[in-house]
Amino acid sequence: SQTIHQWPATLVQPVGSPLSLECTVEGTSNPNLYWYRQAAGRGLQLLFYSVGIGQISSEVPQNLSASRPQDRQFILSSKKLLLSDSGFYLCAWRQGETQYFGPGTRLLVL
Amino acid sequence: GQQVMQIPQYQHVQEGEDFTTYCNSSTTLSNIQWYKQRPGGHPVFLIQLVKSGEVKKQKRLTFQFGEAKKNSSLHITATQTTDVGTYFCAGKDSSYKLIFGSGTRLLVRP
Repeated sequence: SQTIHQWPATLVQPVGSPLSLECTVEGTSNPNLYWYRQAAGRGLQLLFYSVGIGQISSEVPQNLSASRPQDRQFILSSKKLLLSDSGFYLCAWRQGETQYFGPGTRLLVL
Repeated sequence: GQQVMQIPQYQHVQEGEDFTTYCNSSTTLSNIQWYKQRPGGHPVFLIQLVKSGEVKKQKRLTFQFGEAKKNSSLHITATQTTDVGTYFCAGKDSSYKLIFGSGTRLLVRP
């Protein structure tokens, strides 16, 4: 069966520090992968999606970037975090028409 | 761009009362999906509707897709405390992307 992992589960970072969040998928090949952000009590904002290695589409221009160095690995990065980057970051993969979400990373920028 | 609106934002009900959340898209959808996010958790897929006018049931939950494939609803009969969470609709057009509604947060008083 397919599983999706995210780490770390929680992260507290100072403003201006770099960020790297990792997402890996097991049990499938060449998945479509997505990064979402959810602000506290809000909906899901699509940040990036990828249909294959090295292929990244950005939905919202901001100080975040994404990379897909391997088929089942999706990384979200920032060179300098802002206070507004705080939120719940969710990775998802697509099977058919359905998206399956990872457990998420809660990021607090202070 | 495509937008998916969801109302109400919050609903606080007494256990045993019914609950409904509504979803409207600015464009015609190829399908609509519903997800539930428990407090502190990640969104979990509930169901997908594809056909115009489609109605599906899952125990006390009834999902409808409008005739024009631009709106949808989720109705819960006789709510229970286990129904607490945020319910998201997500509309899909012909692209790789799901556009999520802002969610309806359901609180149930025991």
